[in-house]
Amino acid sequence: DGGITQSPKYLFRKEGQNVTLSCEQNLNHDAMYWYRQDPGQGLRLIYYSQIVNDFQKGDIAEGYSVSREKKESFPLTVTSAQKNPTAFYLCASSIDFAGEGPFYEQYFGPGTRLTVT
Amino acid sequence: GQNIDQPTEMTATEGAIVQINCTYQTSGFNGLFWYQQHAGEAPTFLSYNVLDGLEEKGRFSSFLSRSKGYSYLLLKELQMKDSASYLCAVRDGNDYKLSFGAGTTVTVRA
Repeated sequence: DGGITQSPKYLFRKEGQNVTLSCEQNLNHDAMYWYRQDPGQGLRLIYYSQIVNDFQKGDIAEGYSVSREKKESFPLTVTSAQKNPTAFYLCASSIDFAGEGPFYEQYFGPGTRLTVT
Repeated sequence: GQNIDQPTEMTATEGAIVQINCTYQTSGFNGLFWYQQHAGEAPTFLSYNVLDGLEEKGRFSSFLSRSKGYSYLLLKELQMKDSASYLCAVRDGNDYKLSFGAGTTVTVRA
């Protein structure tokens, strides 16, 4: 079955530690995205990648880093510089980034709930 | 960027109809998406509108008026499994990024 996987589902870290969240897709999609979701707020874009070996900052990139060395993988590192890292993190992918129409909907992974204490 | 507003919560009875409104202000528009998200799970795609009018898909319909910056999602014949959060998302016509509303939590009661 094609889809997006994120692991682990729950992650606990101590303050000051970097942590990497994995995201893998086998949909052959070019574009991938990272969002965070906080209670009472909409999904906010952290980073996105239109194609392998390329990525751009989203609206809230400070304290995060990404890489896109393979088409199917887009890991997100939450660094110690992120002031409020506890959140639900969602990875998504789409066939293309700038395409038109409903076929360019974003497919979401199951999410990773990160708790930093 | 986008400014997207939708109600926080709605409650309805099983078998009834509920309409979730979404208003947006945008510097560029390239489509509006509705997603369903059950608690602790991934959002799943429900509908897409880019032209004015109504799109119907089974029990779910979505309407768009670009001139008014307004959309609604209509859920008919409500079932208990429809209890979820419904996210309105607008695609920017300039940078193609999606901006999401905070979501509307719909509770279906027996």
